[in-house]
Amino acid sequence: GQNIDQPTEMTATEGAIVQINCTYQTSGFNGLFWYQQHAGEAPTFLSYNVLDGLEEKGRFSSFLSRSKGYSYLLLKELQMKDSASYLCAVSDSNYQLIWGAGTKLIIKP
Amino acid sequence: GAVVSQHPSWVICKSGTSVKIECRSLDFQATTMFWYRQFPKQSLMLMATSNEGSKATYEQGVEKDKFLINHASLTLSTLTVTSAHPEDSSFYICSANIREHEQYFGPGTRLTVT
Repeated sequence: GQNIDQPTEMTATEGAIVQINCTYQTSGFNGLFWYQQHAGEAPTFLSYNVLDGLEEKGRFSSFLSRSKGYSYLLLKELQMKDSASYLCAVSDSNYQLIWGAGTKLIIKP
Repeated sequence: GAVVSQHPSWVICKSGTSVKIECRSLDFQATTMFWYRQFPKQSLMLMATSNEGSKATYEQGVEKDKFLINHASLTLSTLTVTSAHPEDSSFYICSANIREHEQYFGPGTRLTVT
């Protein structure tokens, strides 16, 4: 079966760094996405990785290792507005997105 | 960036009535749109893939006669929840692809069936 695993909840301090991990097992792989979703809102696109390595975009970076079926989202200089759920999704062989359950990130002052 | 709109943003309807939700791609043409449902504290669940000019492809367990999808143009897809029941209350989100790996989401429609 297809499976995406990510922690249910994480807590971090404002100004700090947090890493949210995602492991996956899917039929085929056409890229991995990270989305941010604030409560009551639709997800917004953060990053896309299809090749191994680190992609940096401002305060957010995303890493992929296809051989390990593993990705992480790294958030630096955390701000209170970063409190949200972070969804990992993998595009399978049919380009269908398989979604993780999301990681709720709580930022404390 | 690409913009996808949904209307209405929230709707309350009585049990047994039908509700139509519109999804529009505002600045690009989308041959494929997706409809998701999200219950509180749960991840997105793909309901169906909507293809312009052809019938939608429904995921297993989704009743196609209850959730009618019409993709009449390259910028508009509609989801009609027919004979709505309280268990249909949910957050419905559409998305559209610009390219195979770029999917943009609408703001979502919160449906409450009383």
